[in-house]
Amino acid sequence: EPEVTQTPSHQVTQMGQEVILRCVPISNHLYFYWYRQILGQKVEFLVSFYNNEISEKSEIFDDQFSVERPDGSNFTLKIRSTKLEDSAMYFCASSEAGRVNTGELFFGEGSRLTVL
Amino acid sequence: LAKTTQPISMDSYEGQEVNITCSHNNIATNDYITWYQQFPSQGPRFIIQGYKTKVTNEVASLFIPADRKSSTLSLPRVSLSDTAVYYCLVGRTGFQKLVFGTGTRLLVSP
Repeated sequence: EPEVTQTPSHQVTQMGQEVILRCVPISNHLYFYWYRQILGQKVEFLVSFYNNEISEKSEIFDDQFSVERPDGSNFTLKIRSTKLEDSAMYFCASSEAGRVNTGELFFGEGSRLTVL
Repeated sequence: LAKTTQPISMDSYEGQEVNITCSHNNIATNDYITWYQQFPSQGPRFIIQGYKTKVTNEVASLFIPADRKSSTLSLPRVSLSDTAVYYCLVGRTGFQKLVFGTGTRLLVSP
């Protein structure tokens, strides 16, 4: 079964450092998302992306965050200057054009970011 | 977005049927009801979606009464591997963000 893959599975970084989290969505999907989940808390929407541009972003997704689809397969989330409160599990998700109306997103296994 | 209310936790035993009810009194006419499952340290997984009456797939059934102010996710004959958090989400379909609540933590015991 096709799946969304994310790398790294775990990254530890120092406060103020830049971090790039990588995702390979399912190949025929056109809609991409990043969510995050702080330990013990809710899954929170960060950003959605379609046709090479951001469709919607949350208040969490401030100027420190950016997303990019640098080629036909990868979808990245960059945090320019990490803060302690950025420590969380970051989930990438994708959905296909024909099924976007079903509300079915396919999530990756997540990248755990620890900021020290 | 319609607010949802579901039990914080539920306990069950292997082989039992589990019904998790979600209240969504302010559901809008064009809102759908979607359920996701999340295992520890994994991303959420889509289970089922419905608009009204009953929807069934290979994993679960979703019952939605006529007034649509609540919905019930039914898991037949649960196993230990069904231990997870189950989220009820209400909103429009289409390319939209999902708003997750706190979910229901289901613990299945032997």
